[in-house]
Amino acid sequence: NAGVMQNPRHLVRRRGQEARLRCSPMKGHSHVYWYRQLPEEGLKFMVYLQKENIIDESGMPKERFSAEFPKEGPSILRIQQVVRGDSAAYFCASSPGQLGETQYFGPGTRLLVL
Amino acid sequence: AQTVTQSQPEMSVQEAETVTLSCTYDTSESDYYLFWYKQPPSRQMILVIRQEAYKQQNATENRFSVNFQKAAKSFSLKISDSQLGDAAMYFCAYRSDTYKYIFGTGTRLKVLA
Repeated sequence: NAGVMQNPRHLVRRRGQEARLRCSPMKGHSHVYWYRQLPEEGLKFMVYLQKENIIDESGMPKERFSAEFPKEGPSILRIQQVVRGDSAAYFCASSPGQLGETQYFGPGTRLLVL
Repeated sequence: AQTVTQSQPEMSVQEAETVTLSCTYDTSESDYYLFWYKQPPSRQMILVIRQEAYKQQNATENRFSVNFQKAAKSFSLKISDSQLGDAAMYFCAYRSDTYKYIFGTGTRLKVLA
């Protein structure tokens, strides 16, 4: 049973470019969560999605960031016009349900903005 | 708002010895979950142990056990018979009965041969 898959594992972008991070949840999981980890910090919640729905995006910056989880295919976290402050590790987690469920994390995508 | 505090930025333990990592949290809720995650150099987040607040019995997973003190809002992790492979960042996390995880800032554990 494959775990949560994220790709790419490493992504380098120049300022002003777009970054697209992909997450495939564990089989049977329909809930996806994105977290961001800045250097020497814990993970911070960004957004929670179910298939075709954004449930909670309270942790996501209002501008340049967007997320989707289409009916088919992986969840996508999109960062437009990246800036150096976007450099971080972005983790995706999934769970089969919502309440009382442990979230299982992917290996993360390390984004470096030059 | 809930908060999670890990007051030990770094800890060291001799191989085969026991070490305890501290975590305190603040919440006004009565039902919640607490977790310890391990993040080795590969940066993968690995679930170590989970505790439901309604359970009085402390969770254990092989060499890992917790001391859950609900009234004191304390959730420490004890690692027995430490191994070199235990070296990692350890994060304490809180989750209410919804979904949002709140993480502490982590404790870096070094294991000395």
